[in-house]
Formats: sequence, structure tokens, C-alpha cells
Amino acid sequence: GAGVSQSPSNKVTEKGKDVELRCDPISGHTALYWYRQRLGQGLEFLIYFQGNSAPDKSGLPSDRFSAERTGESVSTLTIQRTQQEDSAVYLCASSLDRVGRGELFFGEGSRLTVL
Amino acid sequence: GENVEQHPSTLSVQEGDSAVIKCTYSDSASNYFPWYKQELGKGPQLIIDIRSNVGEKKDQRIAVTLNKTAKHFSLHITETQPEDSAVYFCAASTLSGGGADGLTFGKGTHLIIQP
Repeated sequence: GAGVSQSPSNKVTEKGKDVELRCDPISGHTALYWYRQRLGQGLEFLIYFQGNSAPDKSGLPSDRFSAERTGESVSTLTIQRTQQEDSAVYLCASSLDRVGRGELFFGEGSRLTVL
Repeated sequence: GENVEQHPSTLSVQEGDSAVIKCTYSDSASNYFPWYKQELGKGPQLIIDIRSNVGEKKDQRIAVTLNKTAKHFSLHITETQPEDSAVYFCAASTLSGGGADGLTFGKGTHLIIQP
């Protein structure tokens, strides 16, 4: 596709439910990142995939958060037993190469609201 | 790890005036400094970047300066226009660093252009 695509664009869920967010990176981009952006805040790194290497999960805030990526294509971010503090915009970005050697291209984000 | 501080959090300027956003970083090994612009409801987009072997870089109305000794870098926007209204994020990274740990974002500056 022309850019990074994320779905759903908006998700409202009840506390305790599981949610799954999807990211379609730009074709050919080996690097994929997930960030969380709370209202009025900066970008909080969550997880990073680079090719077939083991993902860098150092930013995941708790074991309720997990992410998968199939090869160099689609990634899903799963949040189990959602809490109100999980409410945020979840941004996905992809890059031709690792950070610093290629521009990050961001999707428009998935806005998650936990009631 | 790297810590990036960004100021101010909000900046309001008259259309046509200049705007300056400043960032400081803590890791002297950082050598790549991108700036991203985020318009309402969209993902951040790279507008300019600078590497540590350069002190200044310009692209039309925007410029970035870097002072490695003082560990700070700034974004300058001249002749501001309404479309410049957005949130701007600075970031710092080590080009040779592995993983997304290498890219740390500031908390963002909300730039408001007053007509």
C-alpha cells in the first residue's frame, strides 16, 4: 500500500476485555515499531521488530501486552484484560532499515478507549 | 539510557513570525536527531533530520541546529503559516545502535499559529 495502515481507527471496549490492534507496514520495510501516545503526551516505545531477529520487547509496560509479526508483513498488538490506563492512541511505524538509517513512516493510529 | 527534554510544551506565535523549539539530550553517543510533525488525528511525519557531523541544516522555511558540546538541538521555523500549527517532536538516536532503544522522543511542543 501507499502508507502504513492501522485498524481499527477507533476502539471502545469495557475494562477487562481483550483487544487486538493491527498494523500493515509499507511493503519492503523490514523494521516495525509500536508506540503508545497518551492524551497530550509524547511517544512511548512499546516493541520493535527487525526482519527475522528476536523482537525488542523492552518497552512493553506489563505482561498483558504482547505483539506478533509474521515475517516482514502484518503485525498485531494484543492487550489482555484491558484497564482504563490503557486508553491511548497506539501508533505503528515502519522503516526500510533500523532506526537512524531510515525514516519512520507512521500510521494514523488506533485510538483505544477503555470504559 | 537516553533522555530527551523538549521545551516549550506549548508555543503560540503570530503568523509570519519565527518559532523556535529546543531539545536537550543526555547520551553523548547520540548522533542522529530527527524532527517529526504531527497534525491533528494523524501520525507523526519526518520533516527534517540532522546527523552529528553537521552543525546546521536548512530546508526552505525550516532549519535545525545542533550543538554537540552542549548536547542540545533546535528547530527553527521562519515566516510561520497557519499550516505549521501542529505538535512537533524531537528525537535522538545512535545510528549504530541496535533496536528501537536507539530512538528516544521528546514529549512534544504544541505550536499554535495565531492569524
